[in-house]
Amino acid sequence: DVKVTQSSRYLVKRTGEKVFLECVQDMDHENMFWYRQDPGLGLRLIYFSYDVKMKEKGDIPEGYSVSREKKERFSLILESASTNQTSMYLCASIRDSPYEQYFGPGTRLTVT
Amino acid sequence: AQKVTQAQTEISVVEKEDVTLDCVYETRDTTYYLFWYKQPPSGELVFLIRRNSFDEQNEISGRYSWNFQKSTSSFNFTITASQVVDSAVYFCALKYTGNQFYFGTGTSLTVIP
Repeated sequence: DVKVTQSSRYLVKRTGEKVFLECVQDMDHENMFWYRQDPGLGLRLIYFSYDVKMKEKGDIPEGYSVSREKKERFSLILESASTNQTSMYLCASIRDSPYEQYFGPGTRLTVT
Repeated sequence: AQKVTQAQTEISVVEKEDVTLDCVYETRDTTYYLFWYKQPPSGELVFLIRRNSFDEQNEISGRYSWNFQKSTSSFNFTITASQVVDSAVYFCALKYTGNQFYFGTGTSLTVIP
């Protein structure tokens, strides 16, 4: 059974803290994604990675960075968390074809 | 520019009613893929269907059916005889060149018992 796991379901951090969100997939997929989901805005792509150490910016990369040192793991980093980064963060991975995305359960991050 | 539009923000229906969720997309590519995902209250998005741009055949899976019309750039989703378990947020998504997916803003469906 395919699986994408995220390190935390809920996270509360203070403004200015460095935050790491971890995502692991067990399907040997090359492509992995980080989205944030906000009410009324749907899913917006932050970053994606098409291979180890390779990354591309999505639509809203500001304030975020990513790391992909191993194929199965894709980390999202908030260098200095701010209250406007309070959101649901979703990780996903896909095969090249048929492009079906598998999502993790999400991490609801609150920055106070 | 919005690439995927889901104009219906929230829909409520009474159980056993049919309901159609609209999706309009925008792309200049001739090769693209359209998707529907379901996000139940538990939060994890679940893949429902993928359709490529060369296959306009409508699809039916149980109570679910999808109507793909290139002429109107629409990929609508119909649930027949809705059930309470269908209550969820439904997202339409588009993929064309490259690996980026574009999601609509979602339609929240509530099925009232």
